[in-house]
Amino acid sequence: GQSLEQPSEVTAVEGAIVQINCTYQTSGFYGLSWYQQHDGGAPTFLSYNALDGLEETGRFSSFLSRSDSYGYLLLQELQMKDSASYFCAVRSPSGGYNKLIFGAGTRLAVHP
Amino acid sequence: DTEVTQTPKHLVMGMTNKKSLKCEQHMGHRAMYWYKQKAKKPPELMFVYSYEKLSINESVPSRFSPECPNSSLLNLHLHALQPEDSALYLCASSRSGTGETEAFFGQGTRLTVV
Repeated sequence: GQSLEQPSEVTAVEGAIVQINCTYQTSGFYGLSWYQQHDGGAPTFLSYNALDGLEETGRFSSFLSRSDSYGYLLLQELQMKDSASYFCAVRSPSGGYNKLIFGAGTRLAVHP
Repeated sequence: DTEVTQTPKHLVMGMTNKKSLKCEQHMGHRAMYWYKQKAKKPPELMFVYSYEKLSINESVPSRFSPECPNSSLLNLHLHALQPEDSALYLCASSRSGTGETEAFFGQGTRLTVV
């Protein structure tokens, strides 16, 4: 089976840096993705790590350690619009195909 | 065009009704997905279609019946639903469903069963 754990809530102020951690247990693993979802909106893809290390995309960075089954999403220079839910997700093999399975999500609240 | 379009945006149906949710994408993606999302919960995978064939069914009750008429369209037929089936139903697509990293989601259909 698969399980992903991430904190349920994080609070930060504008301009700050916040890190959202994710640990996972899966029967197979291709890589770790991160998605953002605003209230009432659709999940949107942020980043993907297949190999160990840091991937940077603008203000957002994502890190993966396969040996530790651990990753994180780093958000820098926080803005009010970053208030949303953030999901880590894994692609896990299933009969020749693969499934995108989401963690429970972390609600980020950014305050002035 | 990187859009996945879902209709309707909102749907209220009785427990004896039959209705359908529709999803369309024109990105040439060959994998399409249905997810169910309850409030403050993550999306839960229901079905995966790959190259217009049902490849994954996550033990979804038969009152939910998916259909993929062609590579651009995905339907979810609903019949005899229960109030606990009220949720946001999300459609998503990806290039092939076998290894790529990014899935594109529609805005969802917010379903209320009364």
